[in-house]
Amino acid sequence: DQQVKQNSPSLSVQEGRISILNCDYTNSMFDYFLWYKKYPAEGPTFLISISSIKDKNEDGRFTVFLNKSAKHLSLHIVPSQPGDSAVYFCAASGRDDMRFGAGTRLTVKP
Amino acid sequence: GAGVSQSPSNKVTEKGKDVELRCDPISGHTALYWYRQSLGQGLEFLIYFQGNSAPDKSGLPSDRFSAERTGGSVSTLTIQRTQQEDSAVYLCASSLAGVKAGYEQYFGPGTRLTVT
Repeated sequence: DQQVKQNSPSLSVQEGRISILNCDYTNSMFDYFLWYKKYPAEGPTFLISISSIKDKNEDGRFTVFLNKSAKHLSLHIVPSQPGDSAVYFCAASGRDDMRFGAGTRLTVKP
Repeated sequence: GAGVSQSPSNKVTEKGKDVELRCDPISGHTALYWYRQSLGQGLEFLIYFQGNSAPDKSGLPSDRFSAERTGGSVSTLTIQRTQQEDSAVYLCASSLAGVKAGYEQYFGPGTRLTVT
């Protein structure tokens, strides 16, 4: 069962522009959401998170937006840099588990 | 500081053999997770430990998969009678507390398993 979905397998943006990565979830019991970044041959690293009681969390160039009614969250990266090129995983946690999306491969072109 | 370590980094095994994968979490992290990532797929949750107990085993793909954690630290994931579809990167992660608290997870580098 895919409780967390990232429908775009890839995204390509120009350096300096905004990157928007989307994530949808189905389980209304999820109460914490996280984004991870993964470079090839490395494990994912934590990027940013948001609690279900908030609708926005910002950390430098990264902002996560949560729309609970739509069960949708997005990660905005602005301005995008070539070093941001990686696979981004959305994750949602509930009472006893954490589910990940399939990932979106972001390519930032110089 | 030491992060999450996994061994071996690569494992090639013949179909039908058993394999054991090891994870050393960050010291003091009570929660430990196993995931796998097959080629072109997202991260698939396998099992989660809080201390030495596993409240959620629903992600284990079949009864050939088992995991244990002793002393609230090291964990081993065992796959019996490996099949070619078991080929994947197996990732371990740990966090200060369980998923309920929403603590971020720290991942190891993974073990790449290839079943021939």
